[in-house]
This record gives sequence, structure tokens and C-alpha cells, in this order.
Amino acid sequence: AQSVTQPDIHITVSEGASLELRCNYSYGATPYLFWYVQSPGQGLQLLLKYFSGDTLVQGIKGFEAEFKRSQSSFNLRKPSVHWSDAAEYFCAVGASMEYGNKLVFGAGTILRVKS
Amino acid sequence: DAGVTQSPTHLIKTRGQQVTLRCSPKSGHDTVSWYQQALGQGPQFIFQYYEEEERQRGNFPDRFSGHQFPNYSSELNVNALLLGDSALYLCASSLEDRGQYFGPGTRLTVT
Repeated sequence: AQSVTQPDIHITVSEGASLELRCNYSYGATPYLFWYVQSPGQGLQLLLKYFSGDTLVQGIKGFEAEFKRSQSSFNLRKPSVHWSDAAEYFCAVGASMEYGNKLVFGAGTILRVKS
Repeated sequence: DAGVTQSPTHLIKTRGQQVTLRCSPKSGHDTVSWYQQALGQGPQFIFQYYEEEERQRGNFPDRFSGHQFPNYSSELNVNALLLGDSALYLCASSLEDRGQYFGPGTRLTVT
């Protein structure tokens, strides 16, 4: 069964500082991996996804993530955080379409940005 | 290009009642998934519809049922509402293995 762990419930960074949000997954085959962002009371916006190929994935809003199979990790990074990045971030793992591709989400990391 | 839309935005129901939530997928998408997000938690998979059939189901009771129409839109029905059903209900659409795109959600409050 798939599972996702986001070890950090809250993270606070200063505006302009770099950011790394951690994600560890458990899945028996090659996973499909995703990062989503959610602002309060809103739906989820897809930041980036990894299906195969290059393990460094570029997303929207200046985010990137690196897939490390040996560590079962898919950490999200941004070199310089903006105040508008304050939100909750969810990592998710999915199977391929032939297995129904449901997404299993982590519990989320709330990002606070201080000026 | 319209994204995923959901209706209604908010809903208040009483315990024991029934509710229907609606979802229109992103243009060109043929698969719809439903998720429940309780306060302070990540979304939990309810079920997924493809070609008007339920393809996969999460760990939710039979009180939760759904339907997909020929135009790919979908409904989520919940019978005999419980206080614990209060949550944000998210619909996501997808096409093959290209990632799921979420709607803004329906906030259901059961009193």
C-alpha cells in the first residue's frame, strides 16, 4: 500500500530565504509523485509532478523537487521564498493509471513566511 | 480553458439527511476522482470514475456513492449524514497518467 510522510507540520522561513519541504513515500513500484499547494479554504493547485526520467523536476512558481529513489524521498525546494508562498503544501504518491491512479496524500506542511 | 468546477460552494445539512455534490472536469479530461479533506488533514481518496464506472474505491462506507455522466461530469452522493462527514469535498479530473487537477471544493457542514 502507498503511504506518504511529511515530517514537518509547520515551517517558518524569512522572506527571501531558501526553502526545503520534506516528503518520504512508501510504494512497491516506481511511484508517480506530486506536490500540491493549498491556500486557506481553497482547492489544491498542482505545483509539479514526477513520472519518470530526469529526477530533478521543475514546477510552477519557481519550485523544484528532486526524486531520490535510494532515500524514498521527493523534497520540494525553492531558492527564494516570497510572502505569497505562505500556504499548506501536500506531497502525494500515485500508482499508474492501470492501477486506478488514486492519490495518497501526506498530512501536509504549513509554511509561514516572516518579513 | 475552464478548470475543474464544483457546486455548490458551501452546504449545511442536518444529521440523517442526504446530499449531492457536483463536479465538471477540466476540458478534455475523462476521469473524475473524489476526495474528502477533514479539517487539518490531507485529502482522503473516496472513489474514482472512468467511462461511467467506478474504477477504484477507498475506505469509505456504502453511504458514499457516485455517478459519472456521458459528458464526464460526476456526482457524489452521501446518505444518512453523520457529524463526521463535515469536510471539504474535492473533485479532481485527469486524462491518462498526466496528473490530477483539483476543483475548489465543496464545504459540507453537518449539524
